[in-house]
Amino acid sequence: DAKTTQPNSMESNEEEPVHLPCNHSTISGTDYIHWYRQLPSQGPEYVIHGLTSNVNNRMASLAIAEDRKSSTLILHRATLRDAAVYYCILFKSGGSNYKLTFGKGTLLTVNP
Amino acid sequence: GAGVSQSPSNKVTEKGKDVELRCDPISGHTALYWYRQSLGQGLEFLIYFQGNSAPDKSGLPSDRFSAERTGGSVSTLTIQRTQQEDSAVYLCASSLQGHGYTFGSGTRLTVV
Repeated sequence: DAKTTQPNSMESNEEEPVHLPCNHSTISGTDYIHWYRQLPSQGPEYVIHGLTSNVNNRMASLAIAEDRKSSTLILHRATLRDAAVYYCILFKSGGSNYKLTFGKGTLLTVNP
Repeated sequence: GAGVSQSPSNKVTEKGKDVELRCDPISGHTALYWYRQSLGQGLEFLIYFQGNSAPDKSGLPSDRFSAERTGGSVSTLTIQRTQQEDSAVYLCASSLQGHGYTFGSGTRLTVV
């Protein structure tokens, strides 16, 4: 399985933008880039996913490099509620590939 | 229901006893997954169901662990003769094939 690399931790201030990086240099053409986050004492929560083009939803934006070897999750205005572990995961949609494999993720701390 | 429901939310059991953990997935979600998360650790895949069959049981740690799914809906994870190392949060997720996962809040199992 293609692997992702994320910083262990990042810190941000409330109401400022946050850019969470993810490297995936061995990504294949059929790998989608998924982001999940896990708030304290909760199960993981789907955030966003994309294949090639940048994506926006109500939670975040996903910027994907042209060569797809890296991506960045963007939280436009961090709130205290965004403090969580963020996971970047490569996922082949369809076929026999179905399993999300979680790494250690990035622990985001948001300062008031 | 609107989300994935897991019960009980907390379970304390004595070493050597059997426990059953229940997962109610989102109605219509054909895929169901069990993960576990030990304190301070990442998510460990246990088993995947597509409908009532389990094409991938590779993550079950030992033959003390088993799971079933009936009616393409509710799933039960059973741990026999519990050991202290089984203490963890057991998370269930469901999805439509190829789409994002929705996780439950988990069952916190403590073996004393």
